Amino acid sequence: AQSVTQLDSQVPVFEEAPVELRCNYSSSVSVYLFWYVQYPNQGLQLLLKYLSGSTLVKGINGFEAEFNKSQTSFHLRKPSVHISDTAEYFCAVSDRSLRAGGGNKLTFGTGTQLKVEL
Amino acid sequence: DTAVSQTPKYLVTQMGNDKSIKCEQNLGHDTMYWYKQDSKKFLKIMFSYNNKELIINETVPNRFSPKSPDKAHLNLHINSLELGDSAVYFCASSQVVGTGNHEQYFGPGTRLTVT
Repeated sequence: AQSVTQLDSQVPVFEEAPVELRCNYSSSVSVYLFWYVQYPNQGLQLLLKYLSGSTLVKGINGFEAEFNKSQTSFHLRKPSVHISDTAEYFCAVSDRSLRAGGGNKLTFGTGTQLKVEL
Repeated sequence: DTAVSQTPKYLVTQMGNDKSIKCEQNLGHDTMYWYKQDSKKFLKIMFSYNNKELIINETVPNRFSPKSPDKAHLNLHINSLELGDSAVYFCASSQVVGTGNHEQYFGPGTRLTVT
């Protein structure tokens, strides 16, 4: 079983300031890690993912995240935010072992509302 | 072209009614999913189908019945709707076999309100 914790339910930040959204996970098996963004009244869009290799992954819209296995964390960062980054951000995991016939469920955190202010 | 589409976008109905939500993906993916997002925005998987075969069923009441007529479609039928079924339902798809991608593509969601 897996679980994902996003400690910050809301993060207010001024435009052009840096931001970090925290994500910690718990799993008895190796996992893949994802960050999704949800703009108001829209579906989820993938920001970035960690499957293997370099622990620093870069995504769309200037976001990046670092996988830290020892701390079981996958924090999301952006050096300078824009008003248009205001959205809900979800961290998610799926286990690496494919079920018979395929299909891995995503286990989501509770989300962090990023609010960028002028 | 919309990759994953859902109809309807909004659905308002009364308790006890039966309703369906349709999902279609034009990405050629082999796996489709239904997720439920509650009023606190918590997302939880309900079902997953691979090539029309049910492979994940996450302790969902049997009033919910997914149906996959082909691998591009996954519909969700809900019987005897209850107030607690009010939520946003998201369909998603992914290509599991042969890509190693593991990315799930989400539809725009269907906001179901039960009164």
